Amino acid sequence: NAGVTQTPKFQVLKTGQSMTLQCAQDMNHEYMSWYRQDPGMGLRLIHYSVGAGITDQGEVPNGYNVSRSTTEDFPLRLLSAAPSQTSVYFCASSYSRDRVSYEQYFGPGTRLTVT
Amino acid sequence: QKEVEQDPGPLSVPEGAIVSLNCTYSNSAFQYFMWYRQYSRKGPELLMYTYSSGNKEDGRFTAQVDKSSKYISLFIRDSQPSDSATYLCAPSTPDSWGKLQFGAGTQVVVTP
Repeated sequence: NAGVTQTPKFQVLKTGQSMTLQCAQDMNHEYMSWYRQDPGMGLRLIHYSVGAGITDQGEVPNGYNVSRSTTEDFPLRLLSAAPSQTSVYFCASSYSRDRVSYEQYFGPGTRLTVT
Repeated sequence: QKEVEQDPGPLSVPEGAIVSLNCTYSNSAFQYFMWYRQYSRKGPELLMYTYSSGNKEDGRFTAQVDKSSKYISLFIRDSQPSDSATYLCAPSTPDSWGKLQFGAGTQVVVTP
């Protein structure tokens, strides 16, 4: 199993450009999430999904869109990049058993710089 | 006020020392308590997972939960340079469904 994979590893954007961060998992997990990590702020939830076709907002959703058409993929779209979106982005997946959700598995991250 | 508070450090200790890390939280509905370890420029990985109050030991690592005071601790015995990383606490409810709240993370540096 590859686990959770993310592409690209690094990206530089100019203000106003759009792009999509890719995330895929091969563990058949129903839950997938996107976090951003900034110095001193820890990980903050952007969007999450509880299954194909179902997504919801997290703590910091503004400026980002998601969709989930398959169990495996959960892309994150930046609509019009701003310098405040310079961050490290992590995708994660998790599963549940007997109605209890378990630990999240994280991808290696995408380092995004917006100039 | 954030639901999960954690001292960001850095915490610098000599090799072989005991490392003590702490988190406080405000949501009494949290029942599961996780510690993640994150090496520089890597994704977080699960280190310890405990349910409710009490202690859990795994090798050199001990996780402690005191639900009455909403206080979570992680102890690392006989610390090694390879333990140098950022440690993040993440308490959760059974129905968190992929929505974890993390502390800011404490950076630990173990010097040889």
